[in-house]
Amino acid sequence: QQQVKQSPQSLIVQKGGISIINCAYENTAFDYFPWYQQFPGKGPALLIAIRPDVSEKKEGRFTISFNKSAKQFSLHIMDSQPGDSATYFCAAILSGNTPLVFGKGTRLSVIA
Amino acid sequence: NAGVTQTPKFQVLKTGQSMTLQCAQDMNHEYMSWYRQDPGMGLRLIHYSVGAGITDQGEVPNGYNVSRSTTEDFPLRLLSAAPSQTSVYFCASTYASRNNSPLHFGNGTRLTVT
Repeated sequence: QQQVKQSPQSLIVQKGGISIINCAYENTAFDYFPWYQQFPGKGPALLIAIRPDVSEKKEGRFTISFNKSAKQFSLHIMDSQPGDSATYFCAAILSGNTPLVFGKGTRLSVIA
Repeated sequence: NAGVTQTPKFQVLKTGQSMTLQCAQDMNHEYMSWYRQDPGMGLRLIHYSVGAGITDQGEVPNGYNVSRSTTEDFPLRLLSAAPSQTSVYFCASTYASRNNSPLHFGNGTRLTVT
C-alpha cells in the first residue's frame, strides 16, 4: 500500500522554465513533508521540507506548496537549470520514531 | 565529518552466495535504515533501527538480516543471494528523537546477483 503517490514519473523541462512535481498522501496524521534530491551515483539529500500548518515554503528557486484539505503537496522549481537535472522524491513522516515514507520519485531533465 | 559510509561501492555475487553490506555513521545518530532502489520503484525500506540492540522490519525485509550492536554500525546481510536482490542499496541515518531531522544517506552499494 503506497501511502505517498508522486507524479509524474519523469519530466522534461526547458532551461528557464518551471518544473512542477506533485504528491498526494492518505494518512492525515503525517506531520512533516520533506523533498529529497538525488544526483546520479549519489544518495538522496534533503532539499526542502514543510509542516502541514504552513501553506507554502520557499528557499531560493525551490518552493513547496501544501494543500492540507486536498492532502496534496507539490515542488516548484523556478528558472529550472540543467544542474537541477536529478531525481526528486517527496516523502512524509509521522511523529516519533516511525520511518520516512517516500514517493516513487520523479526523474527531471532540464534541457538547454 | 565522513557522514554515512557504505562499503563496498560495487559487488557482484553468484546466486546462493552470502555477503554483508557495511554501513557506518559518525554523527551519533540513533536511527539507521536500509533502502533498496530499483527503477520505477523508488526507495523501499528494508530494515531499520532506532538504537543499538533494536531493529525492525520495513516494507521489503525478506532475504535480508540486520543487527545493531553499536550506534555507529548497521550491517545488512544477504544470506543466500538471489537475482531479485540485484539493486542499489542505500544506508541512511538521522536523530531518532526529532522527526524533522534530515535523513543522511550514504552513496550506495550497487549489487548484481547473477
